Amino acid sequence: GAGVSQTPSNKVTEKGKYVELRCDPISGHTALYWYRQSLGQGPEFLIYFQGTGAADDSGLPNDRFFAVRPEGSVSTLKIQRTERGDSAVYLCASSLRGTSGNGELFFGEGSRLTVL
Amino acid sequence: GDSVTQMEGPVTLSEEAFLTINCTYTATGYPSLFWYVQYPGEGLQLLLKATKADDKGSNKGFEATYRKETTSFHLEKGSVQVSDSAVYFCALDTSGTYKYIFGTGTRLKVLA
Repeated sequence: GAGVSQTPSNKVTEKGKYVELRCDPISGHTALYWYRQSLGQGPEFLIYFQGTGAADDSGLPNDRFFAVRPEGSVSTLKIQRTERGDSAVYLCASSLRGTSGNGELFFGEGSRLTVL
Repeated sequence: GDSVTQMEGPVTLSEEAFLTINCTYTATGYPSLFWYVQYPGEGLQLLLKATKADDKGSNKGFEATYRKETTSFHLEKGSVQVSDSAVYFCALDTSGTYKYIFGTGTRLKVLA
């Protein structure tokens, strides 16, 4: 498919464990975004990559959260020492250039993380 | 800080009814405004957008007008269909880089 692909679609883990969530953006899209959607809330911005570098990571809640995009395509969101409050749907999105004036942001279906 | 407030759902309508979902915003800059829709089992999709005051965004029979004087961007459709059943999110972006601030979403259920 040509859309944004996220794996796993569902992840259940225990408190204190390490988790990785993967995002495969639309081919050719230079900008990649991570959002988090808690139950009953709208998505909240976490981090934005332009190419390989994090252009804005101001939404990451604390230093347990980290994201990489080493080759400018696939990105991994990493969460250390998970807490029950990390339970949410993690959304990835990509856009051609990262400027919203004339473009569009395309979202994946999300990875649902449950921390027991 | 910037914020978006949407009417709470769920909203339940009969097919062919008129739809309004209210959205108001607070922003320090000059935001672009968006409506996204999430159909069951699918990712968020852009429904429509407006980038400056008095612009009207429209798509699939939905419309919303950027009203700076009332800081609103209400979503309307004249005749809803069962297939419009989904969750609708209002969002703003003042950064120009898709660093959205979303509302909490409004679930719409349309009955045949």
